[in-house]
Amino acid sequence: AIQMTQSPSSLSASVGDRVTITCRASHDIRDDLGWYQQKPGKAPKLLIYAASKLESGVPSRFSGSGSGTDFTLTISSLQPEDFAVYYCLQDYNYPWTFGQGTKVEIK
Amino acid sequence: QVQLVESGGGVVQPGRSLRLSCVASGFTLSSFAMHWVRQAPGKGLEWVALISYDGSNKIYADSVKGRFTFSRDNSKNTLYLQMNSLRAEDTAVYYCARPRYASGLGYWGQGTLVTVSS
Repeated sequence: AIQMTQSPSSLSASVGDRVTITCRASHDIRDDLGWYQQKPGKAPKLLIYAASKLESGVPSRFSGSGSGTDFTLTISSLQPEDFAVYYCLQDYNYPWTFGQGTKVEIK
Repeated sequence: QVQLVESGGGVVQPGRSLRLSCVASGFTLSSFAMHWVRQAPGKGLEWVALISYDGSNKIYADSVKGRFTFSRDNSKNTLYLQMNSLRAEDTAVYYCARPRYASGLGYWGQGTLVTVSS
């Protein structure tokens, strides 16, 4: 199975900060990667699909980049509603695998 | 609008069985492959299983292979996850999810909690 290594596992940031989260795949997954946001007690929400495509309705401060094995989720200016846990998910081949998650906390 | 509603969770003893359901609405279920994803308390997300649009193909995570069976009844707009020989490590919130189209899981249910405990 493809392993997804996500970092950091947590970070503290202030409103307005630029935040970057990375995922590294153990094998080339082309651009078959999505980013998800999860708030406590809620289902995950798709933010980015195909590595860099913004899901409809998601604010443009979220962006994704990368291909092959290295991927990045960037929040250009952190907002109060962005404090959550973020996961990457490779949908290149089965079994699909998630990164371990990154908890974004308020500094 | 797309809705997925899971049910069937609860407390079950180790070694016993449970069947989860997921009722879909707001789209044509028979047009989509579907997935189950789970999340143990305080832990990350784990992909569990896929079923093709017509039920002819199923793929499972190694952790559930041989114990869980994913099925669907498109005429009832319902998915099922039959979980046998349950273990404590199967304790989790189980979500059913639909791909957006070509990529990504764009729609999720609210989840149903399964607790395996004696």
